[in-house]
Amino acid sequence: GESVGLHLPTLSVQEGDNSIINCAYSNSASDYFIWYKQESGKGPQFIIDIRSNMDKRQGQRVTVLLNKTVKHLSLQIAATQPGDSAVYFCAENPPDQAGTALIFGKGTTLSVSS
Amino acid sequence: DTEVTQTPKHLVMGMTNKKSLKCEQHMGHRAMYWYKQKAKKPPELMFVYSYEKLSINESVPSRFSPECPNSSLLNLHLHALQPEDSALYLCASSQREGVYEQYFGPGTRLTVT
Repeated sequence: GESVGLHLPTLSVQEGDNSIINCAYSNSASDYFIWYKQESGKGPQFIIDIRSNMDKRQGQRVTVLLNKTVKHLSLQIAATQPGDSAVYFCAENPPDQAGTALIFGKGTTLSVSS
Repeated sequence: DTEVTQTPKHLVMGMTNKKSLKCEQHMGHRAMYWYKQKAKKPPELMFVYSYEKLSINESVPSRFSPECPNSSLLNLHLHALQPEDSALYLCASSQREGVYEQYFGPGTRLTVT
């Protein structure tokens, strides 16, 4: 499958491939992370979350991996479909934000071709 | 019902106008948020309400005035906006203020002329 090492703004894959979207977060004390999918003209849609006491969490066709040592988060999408085309944002919850605010990463645009 | 609704979907206003954006959720969530999103950028937090009280104001100019009339409704009153305020305004809610998943509405696309 296609993957990016450091954050890249765009990722193009073929239908059926596995996609890996990476995110570097900023605060080593952040204890909660979310991946959102945002389609054109819509608000962000929750995909999957993970707390800092976990390294991996799986959902339906998606897996989130957390590497706290290097402050790295990744989203793996299995068997990518055209409907997965969207902008994907990671978000972290830094503890100095009173456990409330989400700080969003820059976003990666995923394009899936048939 | 896991939906956050926002009205209007689109709004065009002049710099001297007064308008309001509305947000509603019926999930029993007690924390509600306003975010601003410019094109091709991530959402940026503006305000947080927790149990109908303003909890966080991220140094937002006073021409944006939030209001939370009850636990289901969140308004954003707009007055004397600038063209650079044109953006997508997103509302979100979560169970409580804290480490919880936030559900987003579809947003209001605001254009200031």
